[in-house]
Amino acid sequence: GQQLNQNPQSMFIQEGEDVSMNCTSSSIFNTWLWYKQDPGEGPVLLIALYKAGELTSNGRLTAQFGITRKDSFLNISASIPSDVGIYFCAGAAGNYGGATNKLIFGTGTLLAVQP
Amino acid sequence: ETGVTQSPTHLIKTRGQQVTLRCSSQSGHNTVSWYQQALGQGPQFIFQYYREEENGRGNFPPRFSGLQFPNYSSELNVNALELDDSALYLCASSLEAAGELFFGEGSRLTVL
Repeated sequence: GQQLNQNPQSMFIQEGEDVSMNCTSSSIFNTWLWYKQDPGEGPVLLIALYKAGELTSNGRLTAQFGITRKDSFLNISASIPSDVGIYFCAGAAGNYGGATNKLIFGTGTLLAVQP
Repeated sequence: ETGVTQSPTHLIKTRGQQVTLRCSSQSGHNTVSWYQQALGQGPQFIFQYYREEENGRGNFPPRFSGLQFPNYSSELNVNALELDDSALYLCASSLEAAGELFFGEGSRLTVL
């Protein structure tokens, strides 16, 4: 099935460092989402983006909806041990307020934070 | 805690068998979506049920079928299980068809 390309695949960083990851698609999306998944749990929504060029923050997390609508970026500032997990991007062809919310997920970025 | 509950949490089946997975949606949500997540991959959309009707389907064969009940809980049925069906099956509920998804913890299916 279709999956979005996420980079990097994994990151091993020290506590306090900043983190950047990105997601690219060959298709245009009208909605970009970023999720975090902890072991044994389902994905939890971190940030939702609805407009090309939009920059949205949620605490230490900042995400951007690329101008081309084919990419998105997530930054985490001053990482802490509880940031450990797998981060997924997801795109929706429709508007998140539209007829359906079928999501296409990325391949995931595994983040490990050393105290 | 998202309020979305799935059962069973783990199960083991053999090739050719059939399986039913269950999902209770968050209170007030009328839409349930099912995703398959293979090990090391992102979730893949299977289908969505909105007010008891299928409302969109991903690239999965007909042996994957679903049902939504009047209380908006849902079942995912998979017939003639294959080894590649081994995965975490995630259910997500939402308020209306295009609302934010709230995922359950998943049902881990192993096919031997």
